[in-house]
Amino acid sequence: SQTIHQWPATLVQPVGSPLSLECTVEGTSNPNLYWYRQAAGRGLQLLFYSVGIGQISSEVPQNLSASRPQDRQFILSSKKLLLSDSGFYLCAWALGERDTQYFGPGTRLTVL
Amino acid sequence: AQSVAQPEDQVNVAEGNPLTVKCTYSVSGNPYLFWYVQYPNRGLQFLLKYITGDNLVKGSYGFEAEFNKSQTSFHLKKPSALVSDSALYFCAVRDLASGSYIPTFGRGTSLIVHP
Repeated sequence: SQTIHQWPATLVQPVGSPLSLECTVEGTSNPNLYWYRQAAGRGLQLLFYSVGIGQISSEVPQNLSASRPQDRQFILSSKKLLLSDSGFYLCAWALGERDTQYFGPGTRLTVL
Repeated sequence: AQSVAQPEDQVNVAEGNPLTVKCTYSVSGNPYLFWYVQYPNRGLQFLLKYITGDNLVKGSYGFEAEFNKSQTSFHLKKPSALVSDSALYFCAVRDLASGSYIPTFGRGTSLIVHP
């Protein structure tokens, strides 16, 4: 069966520091991968998605970036965090356009 | 374009009573509809989906949803609510005509089940 992992689970970072969040999927190949941010425990904001290695689409211009160095690995990064980057970051995967998205456990990021 | 609306920020129901969480959608083609549940500080868990076929879809934890094309709705229901059902519920839609990989999520409805 497929599983999705995210780490770290929680992170507290100072403003201006770098960020690296990791997401990996097990038990499947060539998944579509997604990064979402959830602010204030409500709506989801799609940040990036990827349909293959090295293929990244950005939905919202900001100081975040994403990379997909391996088939089942998706990384969210920032060179300098802002206070507004605080939130709950969710990774998701799906197989193809008709498949359901399945979400990871999330990373709670607090920028101070 | 695709959109989804969850008209209620919060739904309160007594334990043992039936519950309904509302969702309406707008698509140009045929919809692909989903419901997810999120417990505090957890990721979204998939409950059920509709793509075609029977308008009544059964999912996890005793939940079901009814697809109504004329009313463009996909309400989530459960015959008897449990306190443990208290959580945040998200409806999502994808327009199959658009070829998009990306669903649009509603803002979520907080379900509170009172003992």
